[in-house]
Amino acid sequence: AQKVTQAQTEISVVEKEDVTLDCVYETRDTTYYLFWYKQPPSGELVFLIRRNSFDEQNEISGRYSWNFQKSTSSFNFTITASQVVDSAVYFCALSELAQKLVFGQGTRLTINP
Amino acid sequence: NAGVTQTPKFRVLKTGQSMTLLCAQDMNHEYMYWYRQDPGMGLRLIHYSVGEGTTAKGEVPDGYNVSRLKKQNFLLGLESAAPSQTSVYFCASSHWGLAGTANTGELFFGEGSRLTVL
Repeated sequence: AQKVTQAQTEISVVEKEDVTLDCVYETRDTTYYLFWYKQPPSGELVFLIRRNSFDEQNEISGRYSWNFQKSTSSFNFTITASQVVDSAVYFCALSELAQKLVFGQGTRLTINP
Repeated sequence: NAGVTQTPKFRVLKTGQSMTLLCAQDMNHEYMYWYRQDPGMGLRLIHYSVGEGTTAKGEVPDGYNVSRLKKQNFLLGLESAAPSQTSVYFCASSHWGLAGTANTGELFFGEGSRLTVL
């Protein structure tokens, strides 16, 4: 069965620090998708990235970067030079061919000024 | 530019009462989902639908029923509400095409519905 583990429940850093959010997944399928979503204090869920299992290239988008490693079943998310606006709960999610997403428990990130 | 709309946004129920949450999407997506979010538990899938007239159970289906009579609507029903169903409920929709196709698998979420059962 598919499973996503975000071991870091809460992280607190000072603004401008780099921070990495860990995501470890379990799946029996060779074809699957990985996602990251952001939930700011306002409560909505914001899509950040999707990766399919055949694309292990790392992704960079501004201050955000993602490291996908199939060998360790991890899909980690790094924020460089963090800002207060990055404060949110971040969710990692996995979808197998059944097309239903299973979410991790989330990591609450607090960026202090 | 509505996307996914959930109604109502807030509701307070007494134990044993029934209610229905409505989710509507205007993106012509085949797939629709109902999740609940509880502190420390992330989002857990209640039921989902892969097309009009079809539904399937997710991780936590007990106590809920769903219907997908029209492609754009996905209803979540609580027949006899219990305090354990106090939660924030999110509806989502998605499109699944070929790998690499734009938006494939991305879930578009509604704003959430906060339900309190006393």
